Amino acid sequence: AQKITQTQPGMFVQEKEAVTLDCTYDTSDPSYGLFWYKQPSSGEMIFLIYQGSYDQQNATEGRYSLNFQKARKSANLVISASQLGDSAMYFCAMKGTGFQKLVFGTGTRLLVSP
Amino acid sequence: GAGVSQSPRYKVAKRGQDVALRCDPISGHVSLFWYQQALGQGPEFLTYFQNEAQLDKSGLPSDRFFAERPEGSVSTLKIQRTQQEDSAVYLCASSLDGTSRLSSYNEQFFGPGTRLTVL
Repeated sequence: AQKITQTQPGMFVQEKEAVTLDCTYDTSDPSYGLFWYKQPSSGEMIFLIYQGSYDQQNATEGRYSLNFQKARKSANLVISASQLGDSAMYFCAMKGTGFQKLVFGTGTRLLVSP
Repeated sequence: GAGVSQSPRYKVAKRGQDVALRCDPISGHVSLFWYQQALGQGPEFLTYFQNEAQLDKSGLPSDRFFAERPEGSVSTLKIQRTQQEDSAVYLCASSLDGTSRLSSYNEQFFGPGTRLTVL
């Protein structure tokens, strides 16, 4: 079974500062993928970044980077230079080999203040 | 191009009514998923289609839930005899690839969801 844990129900950050959203996972699959999604108040899940378990380097996509520590089973999302539009729910998710479905955590609500 | 669309966006049903939720995936996408998102929770998997074949329905909570994708494109999630605990946002997602290959290129694109409220 796969499990995602997000222990931060809410995070606050000031505009232009960096913020780290925590995610730990549990799986017995030797190969898996980790995803981060953003869900604004409109409800749509927006894909942000992907990390494969065998990728040698941490993933980066613009202002988003994934701090992947395989031994600790953590996949934290780092948002640099926060913007007001970053205020939303953020979900960590994973998918194992041979499985199509995503398993999500409970999410972290990020509020960016001016 | 058009993304995943869902209709209706909002649905209010009286307990015991049947409802049907529609999902239009991105054109050409092989895989289609339904998730249920309760208030304050992350999405939870309901069922998965590859083209018209329903390959995984392990997440459907009861036999009142039924999903179909008869022509491999549009999908409908039907809930019979709705109960208050069925109140949630129902998200549909599609992905291009029909394999379980792990890659960002197999990412799932989500629709805006249908918010179902059962009174």
